[in-house]
Amino acid sequence: DQQVKQNSPSLSVQEGRISILNCDYTNSMFDYFLWYKKYPAEGPTFLISISSIKDKNEDGRFTVFLNKSAKHLSLHIVPSQPGDSAVYFCAASRSGNQGGKLIFGQGTELSVKP
Amino acid sequence: GAGVSQSPSNKVTEKGKDVELRCDPISGHTALYWYRQSLGQGLEFLIYFQGNSAPDKSGLPSDRFSAERTGGSVSTLTIQRTQQEDSAVYLCASSLSTYEQYFGPGTRLTVT
Repeated sequence: DQQVKQNSPSLSVQEGRISILNCDYTNSMFDYFLWYKKYPAEGPTFLISISSIKDKNEDGRFTVFLNKSAKHLSLHIVPSQPGDSAVYFCAASRSGNQGGKLIFGQGTELSVKP
Repeated sequence: GAGVSQSPSNKVTEKGKDVELRCDPISGHTALYWYRQSLGQGLEFLIYFQGNSAPDKSGLPSDRFSAERTGGSVSTLTIQRTQQEDSAVYLCASSLSTYEQYFGPGTRLTVT
């Protein structure tokens, strides 16, 4: 079963506008969520994370929102820049005896057009 | 400092052959993970090593897959009797905490 889902395989936005990437999860035991960015032929790079005790975390142009009741998180990028064009993966993790393994969504390919 | 490195970057092998993929984690990172990304899919967890604890092998898709981590550092993922469905990018990650993982560039495996 797909415990973490990114239902939009692609997103296209204009430079300077806001990009909103969405992610849904089904397992209420997840307590830590991360966003990774991936360029072609490279490994994913960590972008931003949020603990389940928070509903928002901001880092520069990137903000992650968590809605636990809806089991939904989103990544906002504002303003979007052409260099942000990449595949974005959300990931979730459980503390405790599950270790640090991450469960990833399928990814959303963001294209920021100049 | 140096990031996670993986070798080879690309591997083409014939169906039925064995392959070994190598991962050098960031120095001092106690946790090491293997994932794979098949075409058009997300990253799929394979195996996780944490310090001297027994590895979490719950993601390995079959007994043809195995991994070891020597001296708490370098790890090798071995796939025996490769099949075409094993074709994927195999990614290694390491971490100091249990959450933020740092990934290598991956090994692209093609089984012909």
